[in-house]
Amino acid sequence: EDQVTQSPEALRLQEGESSSLNCSYTVSGLRGLFWYRQDPGKGPEFLFTLYSAGEEKEKERLKATLTKKESFLHITAPKPEDSATYLCAVTNSGNTPLVFGKGTRLSVIA
Amino acid sequence: SQTIHQWPATLVQPVGSPLSLECTVEGTSNPNLYWYRQAAGRGLQLLFYSVGIGQISSEVPQNLSASRPQDRQFILSSKKLLLSDSGFYLCAWSPTTHNEKLFFGSGTQLSVL
Repeated sequence: EDQVTQSPEALRLQEGESSSLNCSYTVSGLRGLFWYRQDPGKGPEFLFTLYSAGEEKEKERLKATLTKKESFLHITAPKPEDSATYLCAVTNSGNTPLVFGKGTRLSVIA
Repeated sequence: SQTIHQWPATLVQPVGSPLSLECTVEGTSNPNLYWYRQAAGRGLQLLFYSVGIGQISSEVPQNLSASRPQDRQFILSSKKLLLSDSGFYLCAWSPTTHNEKLFFGSGTQLSVL
């Protein structure tokens, strides 16, 4: 059974204080790893898809990386508007739906 | 461009009452459609998914059901709500395979009292 574990559950940063969120996964043949951002009371918004170990994707202050066992979402010089819950999900080489982690709730304080 | 509509945004229902949540997708054909529930501290739980009209797969046994009467319409129902049905319900769609990214609706916050 595919599993996704995200850590930490919650993270509080000062504005400008860079950090990383972790997503560890076990999956029978990784097909893709997805990162989403979710604001309170709203649906998740797609950020990145990573397909193979060593791959990196960037968007503004966010950079996602992938190894054979985990993915990191690096946040460089965060701003208060980066506060949200960040979700990680995986899909395998079979035709099965995405499996999500519980998310990391990020708070960036001005 | 594709859009997904989900309503209502919030709903307060008494225990034992029926439920109907509706989701529609525009700008694409034959999408995969999904219903997820998000409870505090439990992450996104897949409830149902559909790969075509009338085709429903259930992931979690419970008193909820889903139907897909039209290609781009997905409905979540219950005949009698339980307290444990409270949560944030999300509809999502993807292109024709499961291995692609999901696009989510804005969600329905359901409170069963």
